[in-house]
Amino acid sequence: EIVLTQSPGSLSLSPGERATLSCRASQTVGTDYLAWYQQKPGQAPRLLIYGASTRATGIPDRFSGSGSGTDFTLTISRLEPEDFAVYYCQQYGTSFTFGPGTKVDFK
Amino acid sequence: EVQLVQSGAEVKKAGESLKISCKGSGYSFTRYWIGWVRQTPGKGLERVAIIYPDDSDTRYSPSFQGQVTISADKSISTAYLQWSSLKASDTAMYYCARVRPDGDALDIWGQGTMVTVSS
Repeated sequence: EIVLTQSPGSLSLSPGERATLSCRASQTVGTDYLAWYQQKPGQAPRLLIYGASTRATGIPDRFSGSGSGTDFTLTISRLEPEDFAVYYCQQYGTSFTFGPGTKVDFK
Repeated sequence: EVQLVQSGAEVKKAGESLKISCKGSGYSFTRYWIGWVRQTPGKGLERVAIIYPDDSDTRYSPSFQGQVTISADKSISTAYLQWSSLKASDTAMYYCARVRPDGDALDIWGQGTMVTVSS
């Protein structure tokens, strides 16, 4: 099973700042099948990025994904108040696993 | 609007049976895999199983094989997850989600069904 490690576990930032979230896989993620989700309290996760770098429908361009192989990054270029949430990565190249999440909260 | 609407919260006792549902609308239900995802504070997000409603082809994650049953009724665009004998450890939030056709990313999610099992 591919294990995903996300860092940092939490990130305290202010609106307007840049957020850089990391997701590292224990083995190569085939075909860069890596997705990112956002989850706010009391809500279901929402797909942000799939295929490592493709934004899902309706996702603002301040969200971008990059990386390949075992190292992936989600970048939020300028945080808006609605972006404070928990972010999960998920690989679907070999079976299917989620990372433990990174919480982005207000500094 | 594409959406998945799940059945309401359940409170059960250990040993009881349960079936929760997820109704799709706004898209061709039979042409997308649909899955169930469990979320707990201790283990986070885990995919339980997926089903292709057109022919009921199913795939279970190893941890859940034999523990739950996924099914679908394409005539009413509804997927189900059921337990024959609940355990306290089944207590969790369960989400249904649509699977993108170009890989297994989950692009549309239901609102979640909280299942609470008391021992």
